[in-house]
Amino acid sequence: GAVVSQHPSRVICKSGTSVKIECRSLDFQATTMFWYRQFPKKSLMLMATSNEGSKATYEQGVEKDKFLINHASLTLSTLTVTSAHPEDSSFYICSASRDSRGDQPQHFGDGTRLSIL
Amino acid sequence: QKEVEQNSGPLSVPEGAIASLNCTYSDRGSQSFFWYRQYSGKSPELIMFIYSNGDKEDGRFTAQLNKASQYVSLLIRDSQPSDSATYLCAVPWSLMGRRALTFGSGTRLQVQP
Repeated sequence: GAVVSQHPSRVICKSGTSVKIECRSLDFQATTMFWYRQFPKKSLMLMATSNEGSKATYEQGVEKDKFLINHASLTLSTLTVTSAHPEDSSFYICSASRDSRGDQPQHFGDGTRLSIL
Repeated sequence: QKEVEQNSGPLSVPEGAIASLNCTYSDRGSQSFFWYRQYSGKSPELIMFIYSNGDKEDGRFTAQLNKASQYVSLLIRDSQPSDSATYLCAVPWSLMGRRALTFGSGTRLQVQP
């Protein structure tokens, strides 16, 4: 199997709060982890790619200081949305892959629905 | 970033029929291809992956790859209402040493009971 656990599943908080989302690969070592954002009825938007022990690579238009990514081990990556505002409300999904070449599938967590009041 | 194209649908089929979902991609060098299923409000779930030209079967699902024509398709036999979802085609890409997946916009499948 390839199980990816994402926590929390839902967050509702006030504007200005920082929110941390965890992504864990439970039964495999994830060389690469990915963070996506998805708006209703839209496709997945890749935010950043992270490899264990190195800095994340952010996609164009994604603010590094706003979305902090840490990939501390081969089984854990975290995304922190700093000083969140209502426009940051979205569905955030992580995925993990066994390899860095892209030949192996990405396995997705269940997602985190973030609502900023 | 490379392009992956899918018809957004909805594709409506009666229960028990074969659903055919198609995807075209622009990068002729692509080697691996993935199909994901996403239910409304949920995250994507891997259905199948295929690396070689031809067909790959897994239960009611068959992935078909034609690299010369740059398309990959997913057939769902004996479609069930529970198959109603958005199906995403994904193709890896690389740029300056980075690897990621490009997702199509997805085809929404509706299986009518």
